[in-house]
Amino acid sequence: GAVVSQHPSWVICKSGTSVKIECRSLDFQATTMFWYRQFPKQSLMLMATSNEGSKATYEQGVEKDKFLINHASLTLSTLTVTSAHPEDSSFYICSARSYMAGASSYNEQFFGPGTRLTVL
Amino acid sequence: GDSVTQMEGPVTLSEEAFLTINCTYTATGYPSLFWYVQYPGEGLQLLLKATKADDKGSNKGFEATYRKETTSFHLEKGSVQVSDSAVYFCALRSGANNLFFGTGTRLTVIP
Repeated sequence: GAVVSQHPSWVICKSGTSVKIECRSLDFQATTMFWYRQFPKQSLMLMATSNEGSKATYEQGVEKDKFLINHASLTLSTLTVTSAHPEDSSFYICSARSYMAGASSYNEQFFGPGTRLTVL
Repeated sequence: GDSVTQMEGPVTLSEEAFLTINCTYTATGYPSLFWYVQYPGEGLQLLLKATKADDKGSNKGFEATYRKETTSFHLEKGSVQVSDSAVYFCALRSGANNLFFGTGTRLTVIP
């Protein structure tokens, strides 16, 4: 299957700082990327969906000014947690989906390994 | 709205035991159903899927049958191995909508 990478895999930061997480589709073009948040012993909660070159669509309750998403190319999306606070500590997972006709990965969703964010 | 209810864990089994992880769903229309697996330190991987009623998805010895009458998609394996230890997520997708996940079930298989 296709590979999605995330960087960094874990990050510790001080309260009030901003953190950027990168998500890359390594061997396919991702027309749509998704960002999820996973709390301990809970399910993945979709935060936002982004299409290449467009503004992200945020789920209800997710602050778009706090969680900035950029999907500038077909292989890269970034999530920036601005002015992070301890309650933002979580496991962030990105996912990528390709709608390109003819691709073997068409319409399947692939997940990155996740980034653990700890805000002190 | 769409939702997935998944058997809570953790589940601990001895090697070669039979596994069942229950999953039921609520959805409008005719969703596609999925099981994802998350091994320690790795991202979610698609384990199997079924796109219509009575379809059976299977992979690596795991099976799940799409039961519309009981709105269920239970995951089964006849003989688990230590390497099957992971977190398993049931999920659904209606049309072009996003995936909805269950809460995940942690499976530990002991030798």
